[in-house]
Amino acid sequence: DGGITQSPKYLFRKEGQNVTLSCEQNLNHDAMYWYRQDPGQGLRLIYYSQIVNDFQKGDIAEGYSVSREKKESFPLTVTSAQKNPTAFYLCASSSGYGYTFGSGTRLTVV
Amino acid sequence: QQQVKQSPQSLIVQKGGISIINCAYENTAFDYFPWYQQFPGKGPALLIAIRPDVSEKKEGRFTISFNKSAKQFSLHIMDSQPGDSATYFCAASNWVPGSARQLTFGSGTQLTVLP
Repeated sequence: DGGITQSPKYLFRKEGQNVTLSCEQNLNHDAMYWYRQDPGQGLRLIYYSQIVNDFQKGDIAEGYSVSREKKESFPLTVTSAQKNPTAFYLCASSSGYGYTFGSGTRLTVV
Repeated sequence: QQQVKQSPQSLIVQKGGISIINCAYENTAFDYFPWYQQFPGKGPALLIAIRPDVSEKKEGRFTISFNKSAKQFSLHIMDSQPGDSATYFCAASNWVPGSARQLTFGSGTQLTVLP
């Protein structure tokens, strides 16, 4: 089945630690996106990428980094500079108007 | 900053009733208006979408009404069912020159349909 796979489903981060969230798609979509979801705030754009080896900052990129070495993969690293990383993270891809979302990764700081 | 304002934040309706969620936008460059449905612990899924050249689109029990002059659009869920209980997001999309198409989301409406 075509879709987006995010892993892990749950992730725990210690203070001062970097963690990487995985996002893989087999839809052959060019564009990929990372969103952060907090209760009552909708979805906020962290980073997006239109093509391999190119990506752009979204509205809340501080404390995050990404790479796009393959069309299928768009991993997100939450760095220690992100002071409030506890949230639900969603990856999406698109080939035009519609977005397809993954099932998300819930990150918790412990 | 581009914004999409969504209301109400939460909505409770009886089974069989009509659920109405409203959204308003400011950026006239938006050219695609989707609605997403999200169940707890899952990613949003596209429910229905409309382009600004039409005023209404219906798919089963779900209807989008679009008012271009007022820059408002709404989702109507007819004959609401307990299985419709979820969070609904409106969104608006535009193409950023030299970049990728971007979606701007409303803040979400948590719908509860009572049996």
